[in-house]
Amino acid sequence: AQSVSQHNHHVILSEAASLELGCNYSYGGTVNLFWYVQYPGQHLQLLLKYFSGDPLVKGIKGFEAEFIKSKFSFNLRKPSVQWSDTAEYFCAVASNNAGNMLTFGGGTRLMVKP
Amino acid sequence: DAMVIQNPRYQVTQFGKPVTLSCSQTLNHNVMYWYQQKSSQAPKLLFHYYDKDFNNEADTPDNFQSRRPNTSFCFLDIRSPGLGDAAMYLCATSRGGGTGGFEGYTFGSGTRLTVV
Repeated sequence: AQSVSQHNHHVILSEAASLELGCNYSYGGTVNLFWYVQYPGQHLQLLLKYFSGDPLVKGIKGFEAEFIKSKFSFNLRKPSVQWSDTAEYFCAVASNNAGNMLTFGGGTRLMVKP
Repeated sequence: DAMVIQNPRYQVTQFGKPVTLSCSQTLNHNVMYWYQQKSSQAPKLLFHYYDKDFNNEADTPDNFQSRRPNTSFCFLDIRSPGLGDAAMYLCATSRGGGTGGFEGYTFGSGTRLTVV
């Protein structure tokens, strides 16, 4: 069965620290990869996505993610976090083997201390 | 702007009283999805429509039903809401038809359901 794993459930950082959130998946076939952010009390927003091409993807708000096919990973990074980045982050994968059904990881709750 | 709209934003219903949540889209996407997201959990797919074809996830309770009268609208019906059904319900759309047509999902703002 397809699955998405986010290993860090809770992360606490100080402002200006660097961020890396891990995401691993187990799927066959071609995959499309996503990171979503959910600010407190708000709906899901797309941060970035990877479909093909350059495996280093740049998204909104200074976030980027790198697709490493050999490691089945799509880790999210940001060089310097801000207090306003406090949110929950979800990695998600859609595989054409699974009819492009979007499966979410369990989420990582990030708290940035001012 | 083309978008996915969910109404209402907040819904309070009584235990056991049927409730309907609505979703509309102006994207002309042929696939529509309903997700349930409980507090501090990842969204969980309940079912989806591929055009008119309804696809239920195996573990979606019978208490949850859906209707899609046309391309633009999709409804989530909860026959007899229980306290455990309190959650955020997310509607999403995508363009189906294989990898070439798929561009990702567009999510609505969600409806937060409270059961009292």
